[in-house]
Amino acid sequence: EAQVTQNPRYLITVTGKKLTVTCSQNMNHEYMSWYRQDPGLGLRQIYYSMNVEVTDKGDVPEGYKVSRKEKRNFPLILESPSPNQTSLYFCASSLKGYGAEKLFFGSGTQLSVL
Amino acid sequence: DAKTTQPTSMDCAEGRAANLPCNHSTISGNEYVYWYRQIHSQGPQYIIHGLKNNETNEMASLIITEDRKSSTLILPHATLRDTAVYYCIARGVYNFNKFYFGSGTKLNVKP
Repeated sequence: EAQVTQNPRYLITVTGKKLTVTCSQNMNHEYMSWYRQDPGLGLRQIYYSMNVEVTDKGDVPEGYKVSRKEKRNFPLILESPSPNQTSLYFCASSLKGYGAEKLFFGSGTQLSVL
Repeated sequence: DAKTTQPTSMDCAEGRAANLPCNHSTISGNEYVYWYRQIHSQGPQYIIHGLKNNETNEMASLIITEDRKSSTLILPHATLRDTAVYYCIARGVYNFNKFYFGSGTKLNVKP
């Protein structure tokens, strides 16, 4: 089944403790992206990647890192999480990242930073 | 990408058609209209998209006005499982990477 898989689904951590949220897609998509969703603010893009080793900042990149060493994986790294990064996170992918494409989303990761 | 405007919420009776409007008066010629929905806190789910012509798939129909300044998503026989937030997005084909999700319309399907 074609899908975007995120792990974990729920994560509770403490301020300053490095964490990684994994994202994997099995559709051979070149484009991958991370969003965060907060009440009243909608979905905001954090980082995106147009292909392996090609990443760029989205609208709210501060405090986050990403890497794209393999086509299928696009992990989100919080090296020193803070409470304002408590949010619902979504990974997404599409074939190329432009044109009349569909964007496929993962099921989300609810992160709480205490 | 053009800004879209949607009502904050709508109600629909189960089994009836749900018609969700979207205004995109500044849309340009190369911008598609996309619809996604989000059920509770799950990942947004693609529904349908179109450029000029009306479109239909197994989930819904998309009606785009001739001047392309507005569109309507139609769920022909709404069920309780269609209760969700529906997002209308205008996205240019040359716009690398960005899907802008606004506030959407909360559709409440009632028994």
